[in-house]
Amino acid sequence: ETGVTQTPRHLVMGMTNKKSLKCEQHLGHNAMYWYKQSAKKPLELMFVYNFKEQTENNSVPSRFSPECPNSSHLFLHLHTLQPEDSALYLCASSRGPGQPQHFGDGTRLSIL
Amino acid sequence: ELKVEQNPLFLSMQEGKNYTIYCNYSTTSDRLYWYRQDPGKSLESLFVLLSNGAVKQEGRLMASLDTKARLSTLHITAAVHDLSATYFCAVLDTGNQFYFGTGTSLTVIP
Repeated sequence: ETGVTQTPRHLVMGMTNKKSLKCEQHLGHNAMYWYKQSAKKPLELMFVYNFKEQTENNSVPSRFSPECPNSSHLFLHLHTLQPEDSALYLCASSRGPGQPQHFGDGTRLSIL
Repeated sequence: ELKVEQNPLFLSMQEGKNYTIYCNYSTTSDRLYWYRQDPGKSLESLFVLLSNGAVKQEGRLMASLDTKARLSTLHITAAVHDLSATYFCAVLDTGNQFYFGTGTSLTVIP
């Protein structure tokens, strides 16, 4: 039990589909993050939310749309993705910005 | 943008041997993290280094930070198979944003 739960664990979708990734944390943290982990590349920070407000958007294409309805839940809505978007998507949370992050197990996304 | 480089990227070592993983970063930071990731698992926090000269040890792993050299090391002593994993360093910039290294994939051979 990591305290950060991501669903689904695996997702295969076509380029025209719409799907959502979900992240839930039970740690009472105020900040939540989405990262992309591709083979042989560093983790790429995509989005940061602090107290439900988005504070970072690192030039992520608009086909990725985050949503943070409360401090415990974070979604990543996906539509018209490209094959190069296939990766492991990791969610993390922390007490606040710059604090140690706790990661979920990730969603392995494959785009056909 | 802050750059974080780890080396080596791949490390195969025999049980009982010692080795060091290096993490260099490009701009000023005084907070560095080490994480471990097992295949198919999430990243697990190992160490948080908060100041120049900080040294932390847990079991066979010891991490240190030299902020002047912009260098952190993760030293492995008398490796055992259970240490096989991918190790990441992450650096916090002045805007509280994390930058991760590419990771070092460690395989300990019996």
